Formats: sequence, C-alpha cells, structure tokens
Amino acid sequence: GAVVSQHPSWVICKSGTSVKIECRSLDFQATTMFWYRQFPKQSLMLMATSNEGSKATYEQGVEKDKFLINHASLTLSTLTVTSAHPEDSSFYICSARDSRGNQPQHFGDGTRLSIL
Amino acid sequence: DAKTTQPPSMDCAEGRAANLPCNHSTISGNEYVYWYRQIHSQGPQYIIHGLKNNETNEMASLIITEDRKSSTLILPHATLRDTAVYYCIVRVADAGNMLTFGGGTRLMVKP
Repeated sequence: GAVVSQHPSWVICKSGTSVKIECRSLDFQATTMFWYRQFPKQSLMLMATSNEGSKATYEQGVEKDKFLINHASLTLSTLTVTSAHPEDSSFYICSARDSRGNQPQHFGDGTRLSIL
Repeated sequence: DAKTTQPPSMDCAEGRAANLPCNHSTISGNEYVYWYRQIHSQGPQYIIHGLKNNETNEMASLIITEDRKSSTLILPHATLRDTAVYYCIVRVADAGNMLTFGGGTRLMVKP
C-alpha cells in the first residue's frame, strides 16, 4: 500500500535552532500534502496544506514565517521550524494522498520535536 | 465536513470482536465514512472507508446503517496491538481536502 516516509523521527535541539522535517511519498505522487501538529493527549490539528509548485496554505493562527513549507516536487514536502522555542515542542505529522483516483490519505510516522 | 460523535473510550478482551460506534447524523449524500487509528507515538493509520455499502478488508469491517447516520467499525479478533485511538471521519472523497480529527475512541484491548 501507499507509504509516506517522514524524517527525522525524533529531534532534540537548543532554543533558537531551525529544524527541517521531510515528508516523502514513496510509491505515489502527491500534489498536496498536509502538515499536522499534535500536543500530548490532544487530537491532530492541521497546520498547513502544502501544494506542489505553489505557496502553502496556512491555518488560522499558524505563523507562515515561523513554519516554512516547501513542496518542490510531487514526492517531497519539507517543514522548517525556524528559530524554534520550547513552546514549539510537539509531535509533527505529515500526510499525503495519491493524486490519482479515489485514494485515502496516508500519514507519516511523525517527528517528535523537543526544544530545550 | 459532517461532525462525528464517538465514545471517548472502550475496553475489549483480547480475541474478542471490538465494535466501535460512530454517529454522523448530519452526513451528506456524497460524504464517505473513513476510519483511522493512531497507536501511541505514531502517525495515524488508514483502516477502511465506505459510502453506503458495508466494507471489509484485511484489517476490519465497516457497517454503515441504511440511513447512513451511524456506522460501526469491527475488529473481528482484537489483539493487544490493536490498542489505539480510533478516529471516525466523514468527508467528501475528492482530491486535496485535509482530514479533520475529533477526539476519537481510545480502545484498550486487555489480556
């Protein structure tokens, strides 16, 4: 079945550091990918929609200058958390859907980001 | 997307069938019912989806009532590895729309 690979799975870094997270669709092309954030004991919250070849669409309250999204190809989207602070510590998850036909979305295994 | 209502938690004995209900009384005619689950510290995993007919795959069965206002996900022989949060999501099956996650049902499979 469709596989979405997310890397890295776990990051610990100092406050002020920028962190890049990659999301790849391994066996299908995805014109659209989604980035979610999940805090402990809460459900997933959509942060932004990543569109191949164009600007991402951000949800209300999500700072586009802080969470930079690049969707340069049909199989890769990246999320960069710029100048990360402890309050950015969370579980970040991407999802993608095969552009062809009626296919469900598939999710990566997530990236646990811890800012010290 | 139509709103869904699920019980916050359920227990199930290992080896028994787990029946997870979902109410979606405001579902529209072109909206599908999707089920995902999230095992602790992992991304959500797609399980099954359907429009109005019952569906079955290697993971589960999906039973949708005739009026489509509710559905039940059935795990026929639950194992400890099925312990997870199960999300019922209703949405139109077109390209590009994101999924909106509610609280889900936390299923605990016990030995």
